[in-house]
Amino acid sequence: ELKVEQNPLFLSMQEGKNYTIYCNYSTTSDRLYWYRQDPGKSLESLFVLLSNGAVKQEGRLMASLDTKARLSTLHITAAVHDLSATYFCAVDMVGADGLTFGKGTHLIIQP
Amino acid sequence: DAGVTQSPTHLIKTRGQHVTLRCSPISGHKSVSWYQQVLGQGPQFIFQYYEKEERGRGNFPDRFSARQFPNYSSELNVNALLLGDSALYLCASSSEPYKNEQFFGPGTRLTVL
Repeated sequence: ELKVEQNPLFLSMQEGKNYTIYCNYSTTSDRLYWYRQDPGKSLESLFVLLSNGAVKQEGRLMASLDTKARLSTLHITAAVHDLSATYFCAVDMVGADGLTFGKGTHLIIQP
Repeated sequence: DAGVTQSPTHLIKTRGQHVTLRCSPISGHKSVSWYQQVLGQGPQFIFQYYEKEERGRGNFPDRFSARQFPNYSSELNVNALLLGDSALYLCASSSEPYKNEQFFGPGTRLTVL
């Protein structure tokens, strides 16, 4: 079964703290995506990870990919309130049509 | 450059009715995919079209259908609406199917009463 699991599903943290969101997937993948979604809005592309060991950073967010472990991480450094949103990982899995999404991590950053 | 556009933005229908949602991809993109996002869940893949042909289909009933036009725009049709069809319907475009980053439109919020 093609599955993408994110954890945690809900995260409340204070500004200035660091945290990591995890994304595990069940089968071989060509690429992995991270998206951000604000309430009532569409999906904003954050990162595209193409190969094993890929690491990408944008501001306070850093994403990495380990294809052997079938694991991606999204690390948040010194969180600020503006990063409050729901974050999804999505995987282009071999044998699947379309992207397979995780359930999302609802992130709340409190002052 | 305009991004992916979708219409309408919001729609309210009653059970048993039919609905048509529309999507225009980014200029130069030939592939369009449709996703359903139920509140509190991740998007689920419905269809992918490329060059007017269906290239992929998710696990949705036959009440769901789609097509792509020569200008690469697309329609998603849903017949015999059920309460459970209430969701945000997202359209995504990419230059080719598979192995290309997908860019999502603003979505159509469908409410079935």
